[in-house]
Amino acid sequence: GAVVSQHPSRVICKSGTSVKIECRSLDFQATTMFWYRQFPKQSLMLMATSNEGSKATYEQGVEKDKFLINHASLTLSTLTVTSAHPEDSSFYICSAFSPDISTDTQYFGPGTRLTVL
Amino acid sequence: KQEVTQIPAALSVPEGENLVLNCSFTDSAIYNLQWFRQDPGKGLTSLLLIQSSQREQTSGRLNASLDKSSGRSTLYIAASQPGDSATYLCAVSQGGSEKLVFGKGMKLTVNP
Repeated sequence: GAVVSQHPSRVICKSGTSVKIECRSLDFQATTMFWYRQFPKQSLMLMATSNEGSKATYEQGVEKDKFLINHASLTLSTLTVTSAHPEDSSFYICSAFSPDISTDTQYFGPGTRLTVL
Repeated sequence: KQEVTQIPAALSVPEGENLVLNCSFTDSAIYNLQWFRQDPGKGLTSLLLIQSSQREQTSGRLNASLDKSSGRSTLYIAASQPGDSATYLCAVSQGGSEKLVFGKGMKLTVNP
């Protein structure tokens, strides 16, 4: 149980285009979803927290107009990287929280590798 | 602001050694601490979770301890194997529904 999927697992795009990444909780309803970013040899850094049906809360330094987060349902959150640039190339990982599963932790997706040419 | 540090950044050992991985955090007001494993290009696998009220947790060859007052945790790996080669991440949170603050990880290589 508590499986989180991400799609796509890997994406390559041209500079200036937009890319959408999906995060799904497959067997539970997630009240909260988190989006993290990991640059090479760096730690995972939280980008934003989203609750179903409400606007995402972005961490300081993360541009909300560039990284659009939609949490339309209790099982799906999407991250859209708009007008992507090479510096946005990174590993994006989502996680999902449900107090019905555990009040102690989040469950992580497998990640999406974004490469912007 | 919570900061999590893992030193060293990398470690290479021969198979069979017992290992200690260190993690320190600056704010002792944590809810819990987790150790994760990350294989290259992959997501995270949760290894052990220690509640702030606990001192240690064990799972197979892994044992994690927590000294909240001093802001430290260690992950002990007994009888290391080549399959243990991965990056190990330490993370703390101030609540189950709160964000995790991660260290940069320690890349472990266990040589046959």
